[in-house]
Amino acid sequence: SQQGEEDPQALSIQEGENATMNCSYKTSINNLQWYRQNSGRGLVHLILIRSNEREKHSGRLRVTLDTSKKSSSLLITASRAADTASYFCATDAFSRAQKLVFGQGTRLTINP
Amino acid sequence: KAGVTQTPRYLIKTRGQQVTLSCSPISGHRSVSWYQQTPGQGLQFLFEYFSETQRNKGNFPGRFSGRQFSNSRSEMNVSTLELGDSALYLCASSSWTGPNYGYTFGSGTRLTVV
Repeated sequence: SQQGEEDPQALSIQEGENATMNCSYKTSINNLQWYRQNSGRGLVHLILIRSNEREKHSGRLRVTLDTSKKSSSLLITASRAADTASYFCATDAFSRAQKLVFGQGTRLTINP
Repeated sequence: KAGVTQTPRYLIKTRGQQVTLSCSPISGHRSVSWYQQTPGQGLQFLFEYFSETQRNKGNFPGRFSGRQFSNSRSEMNVSTLELGDSALYLCASSSWTGPNYGYTFGSGTRLTVV
């Protein structure tokens, strides 16, 4: 079963614009991660935010985490055609075993 | 850093057959986990191994099994294949110490059951 929901399911914007994707989850977490997937290939890790962090930046990526609302957002600034992909959030709960629970993903299309 | 290697990349099997997929983790990573990705169910956790022991298992039937070897390489096996087992199978290795911190996923094995 999926931990949470991602919103929107699909997003289409013009190159150069900013893209924002949201993720909600259901249970307490240790950290939340965002991944990118191109055309059904492997997942590429983008950024990890711990439960005691509220915001994190990496290049053109900005992630926020609101544990009181059990939600996170991923902002991609100045989008490029190469950013076209599916984006997934994944939560990692407090557990001895390593287990990620994924959202359904957002399909992002950047139009040139 | 060297990545996670999954073999084979593509596989076509017939219903009723069995299949074995392989995953070689990043050197030094002792945890390997497996995920199934389908259009209908999304990404779902199958199981996780650490030091040759299964620590966690997802909600999949007993036809899905796995193991981990002393060198941390892992295999997963699916017996009596069904059409619904067609999916992208991803493995990830993880470590929470050292330079290769976090999860790293392989490129996946695309299994088609006909």
